[in-house]
Amino acid sequence: AQKITQTQPGMFVQEKEAVTLDCTYDTSDPSYGLFWYKQPSSGEMIFLIYQGSYDQQNATEGRYSLNFQKARKSANLVISASQLGDSAMYFCAMREGRISGGGADGLTFGKGTHLIIQP
Amino acid sequence: ETGVTQTPRHLVMGMTNKKSLKCEQHLGHNAMYWYKQSAKKPLELMFVYSLEERVENNSVPSRFSPECPNSSHLFLHLHTLQPEDSALYLCASSLSRGGRAGANVLTFGAGSRLTVL
Repeated sequence: AQKITQTQPGMFVQEKEAVTLDCTYDTSDPSYGLFWYKQPSSGEMIFLIYQGSYDQQNATEGRYSLNFQKARKSANLVISASQLGDSAMYFCAMREGRISGGGADGLTFGKGTHLIIQP
Repeated sequence: ETGVTQTPRHLVMGMTNKKSLKCEQHLGHNAMYWYKQSAKKPLELMFVYSLEERVENNSVPSRFSPECPNSSHLFLHLHTLQPEDSALYLCASSLSRGGRAGANVLTFGAGSRLTVL
């Protein structure tokens, strides 16, 4: 079974509109972290935002916010006032367990959503 | 130079060739990772090194051989590859301990685009 599910393969959005990218996850571990990355056509994965499973508030970073609904195992990324430069692939990822101790654990990624911002 | 640097950016090789991908980080991180990104598939974690020791090897074929001589450098040695190995190979680094609630964000390089003929 997939641990990270991104149901939107592609999205077209008008510039300046808000965008919500869906992500659901599957884990039985009470400790986990959720990440969103952006991958432009250049290939580099750029970290956007992080949410810990014990964080009480939804994470925000500038125009990015994470709509974290723990009971639904949902971690949607919201981009406010979209810009042409936001066009890219967006990946949701998760690290399970050992949150308090850190650890060199790799992330498990979803298949991604290809976002295209139209002028 | 800062961040994570990968070379070469593009590589074309025959099935009988031997080549290596290189990754270098100048972030003071002590964990490094190799990921494979194929079309229409999620990123696949291949190897994890923490403090220069391999801590994870996700059933990767032996034709891929990683090497981590120090915490700043990571190599992926390639030999007798198959056409299905054509993909974008991404290197990443992170702190292996600490960080906010264990966030330990992975910082990625731009990738090496490999084509096997």
